[in-house]
Amino acid sequence: DIVMTQSPDSLAVSLGERATIKCKSGQSVFYNSNNKNYLAWYQQKPGQPPKLLISWASTRESGVPDRFSGSGSGTDFTLTISSLQAEDVAVYYCQQYYSIPPLFGQGTKLEIK
Amino acid sequence: EVQLVESGGGLVKPGGSLKLSCATSGFNFSSYDMNWVRQAPGKGLEWVSSISGSSTDIYYADSLKGRFTISRDNAKNSIHLQMNILRAEDTAVYYCATREYIYSPLDYWGQGTLVTVSS
Repeated sequence: DIVMTQSPDSLAVSLGERATIKCKSGQSVFYNSNNKNYLAWYQQKPGQPPKLLISWASTRESGVPDRFSGSGSGTDFTLTISSLQAEDVAVYYCQQYYSIPPLFGQGTKLEIK
Repeated sequence: EVQLVESGGGLVKPGGSLKLSCATSGFNFSSYDMNWVRQAPGKGLEWVSSISGSSTDIYYADSLKGRFTISRDNAKNSIHLQMNILRAEDTAVYYCATREYIYSPLDYWGQGTLVTVSS
């Protein structure tokens, strides 16, 4: 199994500041044949189901604000929120879909400082 | 608009059984891989099971040890999760979620149904 580890577990950032969440996979989730990283980021607000934010490590889903960006390759990935808004308070999860089981990271709780 | 609506959750005693359902609309159901993901109270997300569009490829989390069975009915655009020999640690909100194919992200999620295993 490819274990996913996020850091930090929780994070408090001031409104308008940058928030950075890391995700590390136990082995590479980069597939050479199509040059893609099989890594997604999800946002889960309180009382709601998760929402897909970013797929293939860096592709924003339709409707996701451009303050959200994903980067990284191989085993190390980052979710960046460039200017934190109040509505971004949530738990963020990374997930690999390179192999079965498609494991999630433990989550990072993002709050306002 | 894609819609996923789970049902069938509730309170069940340890050792009991429960069958969850997920009714869907708004997409070409038979072409999509369907999944169950669960979330214990206050905890993170745990992938449970997946089934391909034609039901030929089915996978389960190792932790389930054969107690759960996923199925789908393409004529009714729905999936099911039969859960047997339930334990307290199976208490969770169970979400159904779609993905385009097996090695793709989970792009749409339902609101979830709560399963509570307690005596």
